[in-house]
Amino acid sequence: DAKTTQPTSMDCAEGRAANLPCNHSTISGNEYVYWYRQIHSQGPQYIIHGLKNNETNEMASLIITEDRKSSTLILPHATLRDTAVYYCIVRNAGGTSYGKLTFGQGTILTVHP
Amino acid sequence: DTEVTQTPKHLVMGMTNKKSLKCEQHMGHRAMYWYKQKAKKPPELMFVYSYEKLSINESVPSRFSPECPNSSLLNLHLHALQPEDSALYLCASSQVSDGRREQFFGPGTRLTVL
Repeated sequence: DAKTTQPTSMDCAEGRAANLPCNHSTISGNEYVYWYRQIHSQGPQYIIHGLKNNETNEMASLIITEDRKSSTLILPHATLRDTAVYYCIVRNAGGTSYGKLTFGQGTILTVHP
Repeated sequence: DTEVTQTPKHLVMGMTNKKSLKCEQHMGHRAMYWYKQKAKKPPELMFVYSYEKLSINESVPSRFSPECPNSSLLNLHLHALQPEDSALYLCASSQVSDGRREQFFGPGTRLTVL
């Protein structure tokens, strides 16, 4: 699976949008971009994923550049409960990888009052 | 029910003990996973089961023995562990084991080996 690069940490004010970048310059055509987050001492939580098009759900929006080499996760109105480690993961659609998730170091997002 | 449950929440064991971790899901998922997470590190995949068959073993030492008795249940049997095996053990499940389907994680079992 392609590797990802994320900033180590980011801050955001409560109520503002949090924009978390991710670089995945070696992504291949059948690899999806996934975002998970892990709140302290809990299991990771799925947020969103996409292949080529931008995606939106009730939690977040995912913007993928046209060349697919980078993406941005947007939390539109961050709250204190969004403080967590955010993982951007590039994941092969199938084959012998069996849906393997390979976590990088992630971005520690801290939302301030 | 969109939950993955894990028991126990906490486990303390000696190096000569035998214990088991249990994971259960009732979402009809046919893929289940074990991950290990050391403090301040990201989760690392240990095992993948697809349709109750072991598909991936990430070169995990034999003192960890997974078992998938049915499509809803996943166990991790522990024997002769070392203190460095102390970690958070996470279970996850997904509809099928391919990259198009998200994985749902349980809360984890925090294991301490004395």
